Amino acid sequence: KNEVEQSPQNLTAQEGEFITINCSYSVGISALHWLQQHPGGGIVSLFMLSSGKKKHGRLIATINIQEKHSSLHITASHPRDSAVYICAVPQSGGSNYKLTFGKGTLLTVNP
Amino acid sequence: NAGVTQTPKFQVLKTGQSMTLQCAQDMNHNSMYWYRQDPGMGLRLIYYSASEGTTDKGEVPNGYNVSRLNKREFSLRLESAAPSQTSVYFCASSDLPGTGNYGYTFGSGTRLTVV
Repeated sequence: KNEVEQSPQNLTAQEGEFITINCSYSVGISALHWLQQHPGGGIVSLFMLSSGKKKHGRLIATINIQEKHSSLHITASHPRDSAVYICAVPQSGGSNYKLTFGKGTLLTVNP
Repeated sequence: NAGVTQTPKFQVLKTGQSMTLQCAQDMNHNSMYWYRQDPGMGLRLIYYSASEGTTDKGEVPNGYNVSRLNKREFSLRLESAAPSQTSVYFCASSDLPGTGNYGYTFGSGTRLTVV
């Protein structure tokens, strides 16, 4: 079964700072998901990626399949980016629809 | 709007009571899931349905039952609620990579408190 480690667990930043959240997993995968959850809120899928890099607005996700590692970057961070960011990968590493989730990174962006 | 709809959003139960959480998706996904989220534990899979007509246990199925009513609907039932089932419950749907419809969509969650 795939194991997922996220770092850091908690991150506090000032508005405008560049943010990086890391995710490592143990078994080769077909795709990795980045999710966002605002306090008390629902879960939103930000990215699903299997190679390289994806960009959506100020968010950038990268993945290195060989190193089993992904990063989520936020440029010019804003207080509305304050949320928990969760990395998820297929449980068995292959084209499997069941996911294993990291415990999340709590990001707080202060004005 | 396309997505996953869960009801209710909040519920308080007494120990021993039963209830059903409802979930419906209009993403035309084949697979549906029920997760629970507890502080410090991350999301854990309770039950899933890979396709209409099938259901399987996840990591934490004890105390729960599910029904895949049709392709759109997947319900979660607590037959005799216990305080340990106090949690936030999320329904999700997805399809497999390669289907052209891959991706996860989550409902907005149900906050359940069992007293």
